[in-house]
Amino acid sequence: SQQGEEDPQALSIQEGENATMNCSYKTSINNLQWYRQNSGRGLVHLILIRSNEREKHSGRLRVTLDTSKKSSSLLITASRAADTASYFCATERRGSNYKLTFGKGTLLTVNP
Amino acid sequence: DVKVTQSSRYLVKRTGEKVFLECVQDMDHENMFWYRQDPGLGLRLIYFSYDVKMKEKGDIPEGYSVSREKKERFSLILESASTNQTSMYLCASSSTVTSGGALADTQYFGPGTRLTVL
Repeated sequence: SQQGEEDPQALSIQEGENATMNCSYKTSINNLQWYRQNSGRGLVHLILIRSNEREKHSGRLRVTLDTSKKSSSLLITASRAADTASYFCATERRGSNYKLTFGKGTLLTVNP
Repeated sequence: DVKVTQSSRYLVKRTGEKVFLECVQDMDHENMFWYRQDPGLGLRLIYFSYDVKMKEKGDIPEGYSVSREKKERFSLILESASTNQTSMYLCASSSTVTSGGALADTQYFGPGTRLTVL
């Protein structure tokens, strides 16, 4: 079964609005990562948050991690049409030796 | 910049053919991965390698094999292609240390190969 499950599956917003995506997982992790994929392309790493961290920022991105609830959220502020993409969370489970388990992704559409 | 390249963007093969997908990374990463991505199923790990000549099965290894003779190159082999192997194949690499602009524990992906088996 998938370790990471993103919610919602699809999200449509207007330019300038904030977008929030959530990820839940089942087992203990070393870290959780968010990736972005433009249609038909490879994935691009956005941000990594380790299990002992609660919040991390990178530009317009803010990631939170709640290990007690086994959940994470990705917030994109002041969205742009160029943010339109699929967003995946991926978890490195404890003892998994560098392997990541990906969720099925959230498709974000930002309308101009 | 980390660069991961894959030998083809699009590939069309016939059922029963032997198919080679090549992946090359230029960052001296010790870990390399092959995934397939299908609509509604997300990314699934086929095989990975954490050192030259080392390989481990992922979640869906059936029908695939891999080869890693050099550190920078990781090949995925479909011994006898079948229609249910039509998919997007993604290669990635990672390292346990941060070096040269590449972050530790982060996977860097190639552009993908869209394989169609007729």
